[in-house]
Amino acid sequence: GDSVTQMEGPVTLSEEAFLTINCTYTATGYPSLFWYVQYPGEGLQLLLKATKADDKGSNKGFEATYRKETTSFHLEKGSVQVSDSAVYFCALSDQGSGTSGSRLTFGEGTQLTVNP
Amino acid sequence: ETGVTQTPRHLVMGMTNKKSLKCEQHLGHNAMYWYKQSAKKPLELMFVYNFKEQTENNSVPSRFSPECPNSSHLFLHLHTLQPEDSALYLCASSQEGLAGVEYNEQFFGPGTRLTVL
Repeated sequence: GDSVTQMEGPVTLSEEAFLTINCTYTATGYPSLFWYVQYPGEGLQLLLKATKADDKGSNKGFEATYRKETTSFHLEKGSVQVSDSAVYFCALSDQGSGTSGSRLTFGEGTQLTVNP
Repeated sequence: ETGVTQTPRHLVMGMTNKKSLKCEQHLGHNAMYWYKQSAKKPLELMFVYNFKEQTENNSVPSRFSPECPNSSHLFLHLHTLQPEDSALYLCASSQEGLAGVEYNEQFFGPGTRLTVL
């Protein structure tokens, strides 16, 4: 079945440091790929997505490129802020049919802490 | 209220209790989901409802019983739970069946933190 593997945390960085969180996947077919973020005490929010190979998703300074050849979707940000402290989840979707709902498979999550 | 709301936010229960979790979405969506989030484990999809019909049950024990009375409300009824059921239970919703849309984003509620003693 489908699976997502992301780098273990926790990750601790200083403000303005460069961030990479690795994510690789296994899937049949051509899944869509996502990064979700969970701030303390909140639910998950979609951060960015890419629906086909070589697509680059971007939002709030974060970027990730869908690499089919390496089955990867690594999350990067050039300069992190304290407010980026959260748990980040990589996920893939095997697009459900119109009547069955989409299916998301998540990685374990990576806790990021950014210190001032 | 906006988005997806969940009540209660925190729940402590004994193994012999019966309780219910409630989820409400204010987005006009037609699909709703229950997920379980345990420490050090990926989110696990538990149930999917589409147009109020259950379309998926991921081998969830019968001590968890979902109910979807309409497309805006989703409940998770709990009875005779085990300590290992302690987790964050997340509800999500999405609009399915949109022609030409590659992915229908799921919107998550803040979750209910459940502790089973």
